[in-house]
Amino acid sequence: EVQLLQSGGGLVQPGGSLRLSCGASGFTFSNHAMNWLRQTPGKGLEWVSSISGSGADTSYADSVRGRCSISRDNSKNTVDLQMNSLRVDDTAVYYCAKGSQWLRGGWLDPWGQGTLVSVSS
Amino acid sequence: EIVLSQSPATLSLSPGERASLSCRASQSIRIFLAWYQQRPGQAPRLLIYDASNRATGIPARFSGSGSGTDFTLTISSLEPEDFAVYYCQQRSAWPQTFGQGTKLEIK
Repeated sequence: EVQLLQSGGGLVQPGGSLRLSCGASGFTFSNHAMNWLRQTPGKGLEWVSSISGSGADTSYADSVRGRCSISRDNSKNTVDLQMNSLRVDDTAVYYCAKGSQWLRGGWLDPWGQGTLVSVSS
Repeated sequence: EIVLSQSPATLSLSPGERASLSCRASQSIRIFLAWYQQRPGQAPRLLIYDASNRATGIPARFSGSGSGTDFTLTISSLEPEDFAVYYCQQRSAWPQTFGQGTKLEIK
């Protein structure tokens, strides 16, 4: 069974940093791009970042570019999202999701359980 | 950025009825559209990809249709577990984007 288990998240002050992690099992991890998305009541679902199966190609939404960094460890089947200079509007539930192909842009299936990031003073 | 507009925002139906949910794209996305279901407190789940292909394990009562700018998710006979929020997503152009969702509620 394909599973994604997220860790990290929590409460952080504006300007602070957080690292989200997602552990994968049940599939050949290096064969699939991995993605981070977030969800808020106001903005709905928003793609945040993607990384290719090898880790060589990464992409970011304009809203987080320069403040976030995605990385993966194919020996440990994990993908991380390092978030810096956090802002109040980064507050959201963050999900990792497996891509259906090696490069970015495939369908998202499955998703992790989600983790809440709350940015507040 | 491609904008996806879903309608209606809320759909009130009874178990056993047929549901039709709409997703309209701001420009042609060919068939590069997916549908996701999100139940309360859960992560989204892929139902349909490439407009009309059911994902693994998805019941046959779920079907998708459309191409270009207009797409439909149909649930042929609603089961109690189908009452949830449904999102469409496009991957035709980067960045991939989502619709704002349709809430399917019990009448």
